[in-house]
Amino acid sequence: DAKTTQPPSMDCAEGRAANLPCNHSTISGNEYVYWYRQIHSQGPQYIIHGLKNNETNEMASLIITEDRKSSTLILPHATLRDTAVYYCIVHSGTYKYIFGTGTRLKVLA
Amino acid sequence: GAGVSQSPSNKVTEKGKDVELRCDPISGHTALYWYRQRLGQGLEFLIYFQGNSAPDKSGLPSDRFSAERTGESVSTLTIQRTQQEDSAVYLCASSHLTPGTSGAGGQFFGPGTRLTVL
Repeated sequence: DAKTTQPPSMDCAEGRAANLPCNHSTISGNEYVYWYRQIHSQGPQYIIHGLKNNETNEMASLIITEDRKSSTLILPHATLRDTAVYYCIVHSGTYKYIFGTGTRLKVLA
Repeated sequence: GAGVSQSPSNKVTEKGKDVELRCDPISGHTALYWYRQRLGQGLEFLIYFQGNSAPDKSGLPSDRFSAERTGESVSTLTIQRTQQEDSAVYLCASSHLTPGTSGAGGQFFGPGTRLTVL
């Protein structure tokens, strides 16, 4: 499975869009990009996933570059409750998610 | 229930004792996973069950760890002769389809069991 690189931390003002980048330059054609978040003292929460097209759901949008070597998770209007560690995971048919250290997002009032 | 449930939520035990952790996956989810998360660290894969296939136990750290699953329902993770290094949050997750399968969603995690070995 491809390795991902994320910034260790980011701050975002409440009400503004939070854009969380992820690099996965070694991604292969059949590998999906998944995003999860983990709020303090809770289990990880699935957010969104995609293969090559941009995706949107009620929680977030996922923008995948045309070459698929990077992606951005967008929280359109961040709230204090979005403060969490965000994990970007790339994998294919295997199930052994490799959770790195993620990006610690802090939403500021 | 609507989500994955785990019990107990907290477990404090003495070194050398055995513990059993329970996971109830979302109904209808064929895949079940166990992870371990030490304080301040990422998730560490332990074991994976998919339907009636043989489980993948390759992530279990030692032979003191074992897990069972009854059909496509409850799973138990057993740690024998606990050590202080076993202290961590043990997370269970379930999913509907094999990850990577077209249309497969993500894994849904339970709240975890916080294990403290004194």
